[in-house]
Amino acid sequence: DIQMTQSPSAMSASIGDRVTITCRASQGINNDLVWFHQKPGKVPKRLIYSASSLQSGVPSRFSGSGSGTEFTLTISSLQPEDFATYYCLQRNSHPFTFGGGTKVEIK
Amino acid sequence: EVQLVESGGDLVQPGGSLRLSCAASGFTFSNSWMNWVRQTPGKGLEWVANIKEDGSKRNYVDSVKGRFTISRDNAKNSLFLHMDSLRVEDTAVYYCATPFGGSWHQWGQGTLVTVSS
Repeated sequence: DIQMTQSPSAMSASIGDRVTITCRASQGINNDLVWFHQKPGKVPKRLIYSASSLQSGVPSRFSGSGSGTEFTLTISSLQPEDFATYYCLQRNSHPFTFGGGTKVEIK
Repeated sequence: EVQLVESGGDLVQPGGSLRLSCAASGFTFSNSWMNWVRQTPGKGLEWVANIKEDGSKRNYVDSVKGRFTISRDNAKNSLFLHMDSLRVEDTAVYYCATPFGGSWHQWGQGTLVTVSS
């Protein structure tokens, strides 16, 4: 199985900060990487698919990059509604696997 | 509008069985792989299973192999997860979800399964 190691597991940031979250795959997954965020009590929402494609309706401050084993989600200027938990998912091979999550909290 | 509505979650004793359903609308269900994902209360996400458009291929996470069966009824736009030999660690909110790739994607609201004596 492919292991997805997400870092950091938690972080504090301020409004306007640039935030970077990383996912590392235990083996190459091409660009078969998806990013979600989830607010407490809510359903996960997809932000990025195919490593760098922005989901329709998601603000352009979100961007994804990477291929192979190293992937990054960047929020260029953190907004109040972005405080949430972020997850990556590899869909390259079964079983699909999620990263452990990154909780982004207000500093 | 794409909609996924799960049902069937309940309190069940260890060793028991349960069948979850997911009613789909707003898209061509018979053309979509479908997934089940679960989330333990307060914890992370775990992909559970998926099924090909025509039901001819199914995949599972190791922890549920031999106990859970994913199926679908394309005539009724419905996805199912039959769960046998349930364990305490299967306690979670179970979501159905459309394929993770592609230009659109949707999750249901989830249904809670509690396994406890």
